[in-house]
Amino acid sequence: KTQVEQSPQSLVVRQGENCVLQCNYSVTPDNHLRWFKQDTGKGLVSLTVLVDQKDKTSNGRYSATLDKDAKHSTLHITATLLDDTATYICVVGDRGSALGRLHFGAGTQLIVIP
Amino acid sequence: DMKVTQMPRYLIKRMGENVLLECGQDMSHETMYWYRQDPGLGLQLIYISYDVDSNSEGDIPKGYRVSRKKREHFSLILDSAKTNQTSVYFCASSPPDRGDERLFFGHGTKLSVL
Repeated sequence: KTQVEQSPQSLVVRQGENCVLQCNYSVTPDNHLRWFKQDTGKGLVSLTVLVDQKDKTSNGRYSATLDKDAKHSTLHITATLLDDTATYICVVGDRGSALGRLHFGAGTQLIVIP
Repeated sequence: DMKVTQMPRYLIKRMGENVLLECGQDMSHETMYWYRQDPGLGLQLIYISYDVDSNSEGDIPKGYRVSRKKREHFSLILDSAKTNQTSVYFCASSPPDRGDERLFFGHGTKLSVL
């Protein structure tokens, strides 16, 4: 059973537009949540990690929120660039140490067009 | 330069052949992982290694084994590869504390079993 659901599955935006990616999960316990960017044919690169019950982070044009009560996270990308074209993956960790497991979503494929 | 390196990047094998995927990291991380990524699915954990000769099965270990004789090197072995093991394999490493973004992935090995 999939414990991390991402939506939309794919998204096309024009360069300069903003977009929002969603992540809903049922993982328990939910120690932390990460967003990764995966360029085509490449590995995953961490964008941000959220830890608190209600958390917000910002990393340049990327900002993210986490609501553990709702088991929901969003990733906002502001003023998209062509280089933002990638798959964005939500990952929930059930512990704060390597003894825990990471639960991966299938990703949202973002395509930015000129 | 913090890096996880996977070799080879691409591999084609025939069913029944043995396969060796190699992974190295230069950060002295204790914990290393092998995942596979299939279309429409999140990454699935095959094996986790907590240090030299300290390996544990992940969620889908059947058909795979691993070897960790040095902290910086973690190998995934497929004895008698099967066509359903065609996938992209990712290696990752992390320090014991997961409370930050220090989780690094390699670029992946695309394995095709014919």
